[in-house]
Amino acid sequence: GEDVEQSLFLSVREGDSSVINCTYTDSSSTYLYWYKQEPGAGLQLLTYIFSNMDMKQDQRLTVLLNKKDKHLSLRIADTQTGDSAIYFCAEMDDDSWGKLQFGAGTQVVVTP
Amino acid sequence: DTGVSQDPRHKITKRGQNVTFRCDPISEHNRLYWYRQTLGQGPEFLTYFQNEAQLEKSRLLSDRFSAERPKGSFSTLEIQRTEQGDSAMYLCASSLGETATNEKLFFGSGTQLSVL
Repeated sequence: GEDVEQSLFLSVREGDSSVINCTYTDSSSTYLYWYKQEPGAGLQLLTYIFSNMDMKQDQRLTVLLNKKDKHLSLRIADTQTGDSAIYFCAEMDDDSWGKLQFGAGTQVVVTP
Repeated sequence: DTGVSQDPRHKITKRGQNVTFRCDPISEHNRLYWYRQTLGQGPEFLTYFQNEAQLEKSRLLSDRFSAERPKGSFSTLEIQRTEQGDSAMYLCASSLGETATNEKLFFGSGTQLSVL
């Protein structure tokens, strides 16, 4: 079945850039998403990218997609303490829209 | 837009009891999803509704689980004869459900279930 993998933990200093990586196995993945989850809260949609795109930028967030290697990354510029959270990568294909396949999440800790 | 709301936020129950959770989606959203999240994992799809019709159920959804969306608005998820393995965060999400290219899921804060 489909599999989405992420590194478990990332520590970054305030003001630096964070890069969170994700790999997926489903070659029919059409839509890829990044969600943020703060303690005790639900998931907040941060950004998404279609598989026919290589890059998407939205304020401090930059998403890069390497479809050949099935690799997705999220770069957060000028990381702030409020960015400390768990970040989930998720994929969806055209045949199962709405059924997202999530990774296990990357815990990002921002230190002063 | 008040977002997706779920009730209760927390539920503690004894093994064997029945529990019911409620989800109120964003008002104009046609699709409603239930996901389950266990500690240290990402959410896993359970089931979804297009308006009042339940269109798909994951094999994770055993016979003890039942979901309804009677009028195409709010939804309930009931677990009968709860087991300790049911302990998890139950997340509800909604979306417009018009086209795949516009399929952005908005999640609620979840109901944390603890089965003792």
